[in-house]
Amino acid sequence: QKEVEQDPGPLSVPEGAIVSLNCTYSNSAFQYFMWYRQYSRKGPELLMYTYSSGNKEDGRFTAQVDKSSKYISLFIRDSQPSDSATYLCAMRGSYIPTFGRGTSLIVHP
Amino acid sequence: NAGVMQNPRHLVRRRGQEARLRCSPMKGHSHVYWYRQLPEEGLKFMVYLQKENIIDESGMPKERFSAEFPKEGPSILRIQQVVRGDSAAYFCASSPPLTYEQYFGPGTRLTVT
Repeated sequence: QKEVEQDPGPLSVPEGAIVSLNCTYSNSAFQYFMWYRQYSRKGPELLMYTYSSGNKEDGRFTAQVDKSSKYISLFIRDSQPSDSATYLCAMRGSYIPTFGRGTSLIVHP
Repeated sequence: NAGVMQNPRHLVRRRGQEARLRCSPMKGHSHVYWYRQLPEEGLKFMVYLQKENIIDESGMPKERFSAEFPKEGPSILRIQQVVRGDSAAYFCASSPPLTYEQYFGPGTRLTVT
């Protein structure tokens, strides 16, 4: 079993939809949870950074962490075609994060 | 504030040649990380450096690969005697001290012919 599991998709949604992206993990030592957005042939861009369980909101993005279930989510409200990208979850206990494979999201007009 | 810079953006090498990838961290960031990304795979950690120190190189192959972050100048990832399997996108990330929030550069795409 991989430490971090993430469905690669692709996930295709219409513009304006609410998108839910998820990762599960197995390592109880993970305390910090991140979401990155990566456009094709670009570097990952840090979207959200959370510590321990709970929710964090930033504009149209909400990150949710449930440590008891070892499950994290990223919600995107009012999705736009410009949100089309690969979304990588990452998590760490010490200083080296472990990344998921990434979920490819396509938002069509 | 300029972001993380990497050069070259694209690098083509023949088998057996050396590849040198450079990374300049964001201003104020003293920690540098190198990752490799293959198609359909996630980011794989290679090495974590601070100025003049290798902190963790557990993800780096023991042979042909080396990394440094000198007191002055960029961090360099060096791959000697490249093979076709080294073809990948190599990303550098930097973080300020203590937070470990990593900010990525645009990557160097290495192609070995």
